[in-house]
Amino acid sequence: EIVLTQSPGTLSLSPGERATLSCRASQSVSSSDLAWYQQKPGQAPRLLIYGASSRATGIPDRFSGSGSGTDFTLTISRLEPEDFAVYYCQQYGRSPPRLTFGGGTKVEIK
Amino acid sequence: HITLRESGPTLVKPTQTLTLTCAFSGFSLSTSGVGVGWVRQPPGKALDWLALIHWDGDKWYSPSLKSRLSITKDTSKNQVVLTMTNMDPLDTATYYCAHFEDYYDSSGNYYYSGMDVWGQGTTVTVSS
Repeated sequence: EIVLTQSPGTLSLSPGERATLSCRASQSVSSSDLAWYQQKPGQAPRLLIYGASSRATGIPDRFSGSGSGTDFTLTISRLEPEDFAVYYCQQYGRSPPRLTFGGGTKVEIK
Repeated sequence: HITLRESGPTLVKPTQTLTLTCAFSGFSLSTSGVGVGWVRQPPGKALDWLALIHWDGDKWYSPSLKSRLSITKDTSKNQVVLTMTNMDPLDTATYYCAHFEDYYDSSGNYYYSGMDVWGQGTTVTVSS
């Protein structure tokens, strides 16, 4: 069973700064299977990135995903006020199909 | 335009069975590659996958909860139903359903859309 470990747990940054969030898998995963979500308080998660690096519909280009194997990264190039939220990575395992979420990274205003 | 909406009881007693319905529109769960998943989130905690069902009826469950879960679909009603038996206060959470697609394209490349549309969630409290 794959475990996804996200770091750091909390990231304290100011608007305009760059955010780099890490997601490490306990074993190698296919890039096709890796997604990132944003969740704000009281709201459902929102898909940001699928296939490790493809932005979902309507997602601003300040969000980018990268990585392969066991190490994946979500980067927010310049934080906007609405970007302060919790971010989750997720892996879709195909055989058998199952979903695994990381523990989340909270991006808070410094 | 895809939408999903969860419904069910807000309060259940310990040992009872929870039944949640996900009513959706904008897609058909008989279309190849389409699926619906259930995810829950205890207060202040991370997302936790529960179950998923594919267009072809294949069902998959979280290994840790498999014995307590059942997922079914009613394609004619555009609904997916999740049941969880033997509810415990630790099952108190917001429960979400979400749409996704996964398939191999004509070139043999695999595609997973991510859970691209979510319902607003339904909060379930387990208490006597």
